[in-house]
Amino acid sequence: AQSVAQPEDQVNVAEGNPLTVKCTYSVSGNPYLFWYVQYPNRGLQFLLKYITGDNLVKGSYGFEAEFNKSQTSFHLKKPSALVSDSALYFCAVRDGAGNNRKLIWGLGTSLAVNP
Amino acid sequence: DVKVTQSSRYLVKRTGEKVFLECVQDMDHENMFWYRQDPGLGLRLIYFSYDVKMKEKGDIPEGYSVSREKKERFSLILESASTNQTSMYLCASSPPRGQGFYEQYFGPGTRLTVT
Repeated sequence: AQSVAQPEDQVNVAEGNPLTVKCTYSVSGNPYLFWYVQYPNRGLQFLLKYITGDNLVKGSYGFEAEFNKSQTSFHLKKPSALVSDSALYFCAVRDGAGNNRKLIWGLGTSLAVNP
Repeated sequence: DVKVTQSSRYLVKRTGEKVFLECVQDMDHENMFWYRQDPGLGLRLIYFSYDVKMKEKGDIPEGYSVSREKKERFSLILESASTNQTSMYLCASSPPRGQGFYEQYFGPGTRLTVT
């Protein structure tokens, strides 16, 4: 079965420290992977995607993500966290079976950056 | 920039009412989606549409219907609202195959309360 797992419901990090939000996936075919961010009472905003090529993908707001095929992971990272990064983060993968217009979503990870 | 708009940010309805949630996108996207978001459950797909008058059920279609009469507009209908449909509703669109890689663009969401 195709799935996305975000193993941590919540991540806490001090401002200025590096942050990592974890994502692992299980999908048939080549994975197309995405990260989105949701600020309070807002819709989701696209951060970055991996389709092919370089395993390190750079996105908006200084975020990057590393694709690791052997570990089926796509962890979101930022070298130095800001308080304004506090939000809900979702990982998603294209549905490789059936209708591939759909995305399969993780349950989200709440990131709290403490001053 | 892609813009996805939803007709209301907040809506309060009574049990048994028929409820219409409207979504409009301005980028000529062929694919449109309706999700509901509940704490701890992530995003759950209700319905999606890949063309005018075309629709497919998502993971939780029960109690909902949709309408897509024009390419830019995708409506979600609650035929008889119930309290368990109190939720945040998110609309999204994605570009046609060959013009993108399935990333979805979201509206700001409608927080529906059914009393």
